[in-house]
Amino acid sequence: KAGVTQTPRYLIKTRGQQVTLSCSPISGHRSVSWYQQTPGQGLQFLFEYFSETQRNKGNFPGRFSGRQFSNSRSEMNVSTLELGDSALYLCASSPSQETQYFGPGTRLLVL
Amino acid sequence: GENVEQHPSTLSVQEGDSAVIKCTYSDSASNYFPWYKQELGKRPQLIIDIRSNVGEKKDQRIAVTLNKTAKHFSLHITETQPEDSAVYFCAASGYNNNDMRFGAGTRLTVKP
Repeated sequence: KAGVTQTPRYLIKTRGQQVTLSCSPISGHRSVSWYQQTPGQGLQFLFEYFSETQRNKGNFPGRFSGRQFSNSRSEMNVSTLELGDSALYLCASSPSQETQYFGPGTRLLVL
Repeated sequence: GENVEQHPSTLSVQEGDSAVIKCTYSDSASNYFPWYKQELGKRPQLIIDIRSNVGEKKDQRIAVTLNKTAKHFSLHITETQPEDSAVYFCAASGYNNNDMRFGAGTRLTVKP
């Protein structure tokens, strides 16, 4: 099976802009989780989707949002970008109640 | 929500020695505890996991132990090799794995 894929892999934006990141889970996996990884904060949980429904959300402001489509692909959106949003954004997919498998990540740089 | 603490933040060992990384969690409802290895510039990769109905699990040179009463779990790597050098993350989650929280990571360096 193909692994989790994320697009784009790299992105440069300026403050105030918005960005949309995409994640395609492993075929058959219905759960997609998103994480923000920064050197100082480690892996921070953003949210998790299952069958197009957000099941849980981490402690991030409302500028961070996401959605999941009927084919389990997921997108996350960050509006009004801030310098501190520069990070590696990882998504992970899993079958229900099982291990999470990570994608390669999207590295976002906000200037 | 769940809070996972991981120690130490950095660990340096000589090749062939053992390495131990420890994590504690706060939510007694957590029942799934995976460990991930992340090499520089790569994605986290699952190396071993344990569920709350098991106290210990071993896979070749790596093992994980879980103490549910004390709410802590540990990763043990024996006969370390330079290729074990990476950042290791522990995590904990409850039913459905829909709220997985990670420790801050341990940077392991194995000196040849």
